Amino acid sequence: DTAVSQTPKYLVTQMGNDKSIKCEQNLGHDTMYWYKQDSKKFLKIMFSYNNKELIINETVPNRFSPKSPDKAHLNLHINSLELGDSAVYFCASSSRRGYGYTFGSGTRLTVV
Amino acid sequence: DQQVKQNSPSLSVQEGRISILNCDYTNSMFDYFLWYKKYPAEGPTFLISISSIKDKNEDGRFTVFLNKSAKHLSLHIVPSQPGDSAVYFCAARPGGTSYGKLTFGQGTILTVHP
Repeated sequence: DTAVSQTPKYLVTQMGNDKSIKCEQNLGHDTMYWYKQDSKKFLKIMFSYNNKELIINETVPNRFSPKSPDKAHLNLHINSLELGDSAVYFCASSSRRGYGYTFGSGTRLTVV
Repeated sequence: DQQVKQNSPSLSVQEGRISILNCDYTNSMFDYFLWYKKYPAEGPTFLISISSIKDKNEDGRFTVFLNKSAKHLSLHIVPSQPGDSAVYFCAARPGGTSYGKLTFGQGTILTVHP
């Protein structure tokens, strides 16, 4: 019974394509996040949603668009994929005050 | 500008000995610090945390020490076990309204030899 689940786990796609990564949490948290782990292994926050409202939006190309249909789901859509988008993307959730921070297992995106 | 730094990319220790992982930060607004452990092909899992009002927090074999004046924290694992072999990330969070914004270090690979 996975707390934060992401799909797919692996994604290989060609440059220029549009793809989505889905995330769902069953912890009852009201805040969800997307993080990117780049080739240098840094984990950097991209977006955060609280109760479907965008509250954190780091400097991310506008080809990346998060969508939160409800507080248990936060999807990431990426348009016109580029080679530099290859990374591992982690979804996470927490309470509004940041407690109980829980990560999904990651989606390894490879753009060829 | 990397606000949280783990300057040791890797650490190797013998089973039963102490593992000490270090982390430095530069942002004075950070008031809550966390350590995460990550196995390959899995997401980071929470290990232990400490608030800036404390200088030590202990949970079983894991102890985190915080030195605010030096902007330094460390994670001690005693005794180390082979199952502790993983990547350890230090993370920090500011107070105020950005509770959820964690800033991570680049991780330290810990290898515990039997």
